Amino acid sequence: KAGVTQTPRYLIKTRGQQVTLSCSPISGHRSVSWYQQTPGQGLQFLFEYFSETQRNKGNFPGRFSGRQFSNSRSEMNVSTLELGDSALYLCASSGGDRAYEQYFGPGTRLTVT
Amino acid sequence: ILNVEQSPQSLHVQEGDSTNFTCSFPSSNFYALHWYRWETAKSPEALFVMTLNGDEKKKGRISATLNTKEGYSYLYIKGSQPEDSATYLCAFIGSSNTGKLIFGQGTTLQVKP
Repeated sequence: KAGVTQTPRYLIKTRGQQVTLSCSPISGHRSVSWYQQTPGQGLQFLFEYFSETQRNKGNFPGRFSGRQFSNSRSEMNVSTLELGDSALYLCASSGGDRAYEQYFGPGTRLTVT
Repeated sequence: ILNVEQSPQSLHVQEGDSTNFTCSFPSSNFYALHWYRWETAKSPEALFVMTLNGDEKKKGRISATLNTKEGYSYLYIKGSQPEDSATYLCAFIGSSNTGKLIFGQGTTLQVKP
């Protein structure tokens, strides 16, 4: 079974721009969660999507949004980028009844200049 | 705000040493605890999911224990090897029906040959 994939792996954007990151879950998995890791911080939960609906949301500003498609692929969008948004963004997928058993992708490294 | 704490923050040991780390979490509203291993430039890899007070799990030279009443878990590595060098993360889960994991900051282990 193919693992979780994320595209792109690296991205450089300018302050004020917007960015879209993509995550393809493991086949059959319906839950996708997104996390942000910045220097000095642990992994911070952004949001979780299940069956195209946002099921949980972390404590991030409205500039961070996401969606999930019918094939369970998910995208997250960050509008009006700030320097502090530079981070590693990880997505994780899970299937069945145990949404907490998550399998992570390799991440997208976003740099905002 | 849920707080998950890990200690120590980093650890340097010699090959062959045994070591252990601690994860502290809220003892209320506990559903499960995850341990992950995260090597540089790779995806976090699940080690254990623990749900019951008194749970003990083992995978090769790595084992973990869980005390939900007092809110802590220990991860032990017996006879550390250089390939054990990684960041070890614990994540708290408060509900069965959620993909929201609350992570600690991690313990970074460096094993010297």
